[in-house]
Amino acid sequence: DQQVKQNSPSLSVQEGRISILNCDYTNSMFDYFLWYKKYPAEGPTFLISISSIKDKNEDGRFTVFLNKSAKHLSLHIVPSQPGDSAVYFCAASGDDKIIFGKGTRLHILP
Amino acid sequence: ETGVTQTPRHLVMGMTNKKSLKCEQHLGHNAMYWYKQSAKKPLELMFVYNFKEQTENNSVPSRFSPECPNSSHLFLHLHTLQPEDSALYLCASSQVGGNTIYFGEGSWLTVV
Repeated sequence: DQQVKQNSPSLSVQEGRISILNCDYTNSMFDYFLWYKKYPAEGPTFLISISSIKDKNEDGRFTVFLNKSAKHLSLHIVPSQPGDSAVYFCAASGDDKIIFGKGTRLHILP
Repeated sequence: ETGVTQTPRHLVMGMTNKKSLKCEQHLGHNAMYWYKQSAKKPLELMFVYNFKEQTENNSVPSRFSPECPNSSHLFLHLHTLQPEDSALYLCASSQVGGNTIYFGEGSWLTVV
């Protein structure tokens, strides 16, 4: 039973445009959500997070939106840059555990 | 210096070998984790240690044996592995009960 779902295995976006990565969760005990970025053969690096008491958190080109009623969060990257090409993992924290999604591979096209 | 350091970064071992992966965290955390990432699979949590005590073993085969001598160091001892154990092994740390975990760069293991 996947508690954190990233339904798009991959996404291609033109350089300079907006990249939108989506994530859904099922457990209402989750109260903190994170995005990690991962390059091949390296460990995931923490990117941005959001608490369930907020609906938006912004850090430079990265913005995370949380819709608690829909149990949905998204990561917006604007403008997209070539170095943004990576796998992005959504994670949900709560009830003493952190659960990761399967990841979405983002390709930024020149 | 990165917060979580893993050695070796790459390891090739035979099925009869015994080797160990090492992890050290410099973040003052008190929880440490081992994750496995195989090709086209999600991150799989293997073990969790809180304050040096193992609090979670996610049905990991006994050929993987973790050791946590203190809150800063974590080992994964490997013996009689199978080729399907080839994967990226990731160490991570956090504060106990914290919301954010921080990963090392991973140890890429190939079993031949």
